[in-house]
Amino acid sequence: SQQGEEDPQALSIQEGENATMNCSYKTSINNLQWYRQNSGRGLVHLILIRSNEREKHSGRLRVTLDTSKKSSSLLITASRAADTASYFCATDDSETSGSRLTFGEGTQLTVNP
Amino acid sequence: ETGVTQTPRHLVMGMTNKKSLKCEQHLGHNAMYWYKQSAKKPLELMFVYNFKEQTENNSVPSRFSPECPNSSHLFLHLHTLQPEDSALYLCASSDLSRADFSGNTIYFGEGSWLTVV
Repeated sequence: SQQGEEDPQALSIQEGENATMNCSYKTSINNLQWYRQNSGRGLVHLILIRSNEREKHSGRLRVTLDTSKKSSSLLITASRAADTASYFCATDDSETSGSRLTFGEGTQLTVNP
Repeated sequence: ETGVTQTPRHLVMGMTNKKSLKCEQHLGHNAMYWYKQSAKKPLELMFVYNFKEQTENNSVPSRFSPECPNSSHLFLHLHTLQPEDSALYLCASSDLSRADFSGNTIYFGEGSWLTVV
């Protein structure tokens, strides 16, 4: 069954604006990861946040995790046209830690120049 | 360049053909995966290999047959596929020995686009 669900499914913004994507999940997790996929290419790991962390930063990326609400958000600040891609959250759940990640359907982000 | 190489990048095959997808990872990882990505559906995990041993088969039809001869190579043999099997097939690898410490970060190849006609 699907674990992570991203919201919104699609997001269109202007260059320089911030983009926020949300992910909700159902079961307990060890960590949550965000990946990016350019059209027709493989996924690239962006950032991992552990279940005991609440916020993490990496460059223009900021990830939050609320385990009580079983949700996470990915914020991209000062977006660029090159940020146009699909963004997926993936959960590493407690029962099968280390063997599988479960991905959501993704958010398609379009950054207009 | 992610360190995971997939070939071919594009494949068109008939329903009666037999073909194979190949994946090679140069990262020294011990786990390899096959994922299927179809339009408007979440990424589907198909198979997991841990130290060459298959540890997961997510109810994948037998027309898909994986092979993992060593920790660096993974194949997906295709036989009598259906048009609905057309998708992007993604190979990935990870280092499960570090998973408990740093999380199971997965490194993906660029994928093989499969079209079944």
